[in-house]
Amino acid sequence: GENVEQHPSTLSVQEGDSAVIKCTYSDSASNYFPWYKQELGKRPQLIIDIRSNVGEKKDQRIAVTLNKTAKHFSLHITETQPEDSAVYFCAASRGLSGGYNKLIFGAGTRLAVHP
Amino acid sequence: DSGVTQTPKHLITATGQRVTLRCSPRSGDLSVYWYQQSLDQGLQFLIQYYNGEERAKGNILERFSAQQFPDLHSELNLSSLELGDSALYFCASSVPGLADNEQFFGPGTRLTVL
Repeated sequence: GENVEQHPSTLSVQEGDSAVIKCTYSDSASNYFPWYKQELGKRPQLIIDIRSNVGEKKDQRIAVTLNKTAKHFSLHITETQPEDSAVYFCAASRGLSGGYNKLIFGAGTRLAVHP
Repeated sequence: DSGVTQTPKHLITATGQRVTLRCSPRSGDLSVYWYQQSLDQGLQFLIQYYNGEERAKGNILERFSAQQFPDLHSELNLSSLELGDSALYFCASSVPGLADNEQFFGPGTRLTVL
């Protein structure tokens, strides 16, 4: 069935270091890959997404890479700051119109950035 | 503020009871998704509606049901509640069209079953 595996489950870095979170998906028909950030007790919020016709996308300190052949995608955060501390979720979807676009989420990575 | 609203914010009830959670999507969004998040757990997809029709079902228990009304708001009904049903319940909505992928999450309803 559809599955998204996410690693690591916890990640601890020093302020200013980089953080990398990796995901693997099983459904080869997936073509949309968002990343959500969730602070404690708050709603998940989209931070970046990538579609299958693109290999890499950047937004300031955040970048996502996609390897469709290997069914891997990764989130890279550079120059981490304490406010980056949160749980990050990757997800995958077939992204079809007409509402056929449910997201399958990874289990999450708890990122802690220490000053 | 994502534009998705959920009521109530908190709900405390007893085992065996039934509750209804309500979600109003962003204006113009046709899809509504329901997720369950237990303590320190990930987001478990429950069910999705698109313009009033069920589109996808996840690991939703038979004791749970949902519907989407003509005004596009949705309700999630949880019955015969058990202690393990205590969780944060999120709904999300997304726009129709070619890029109907990004989901906007509501603030969630925290359900506590005692």
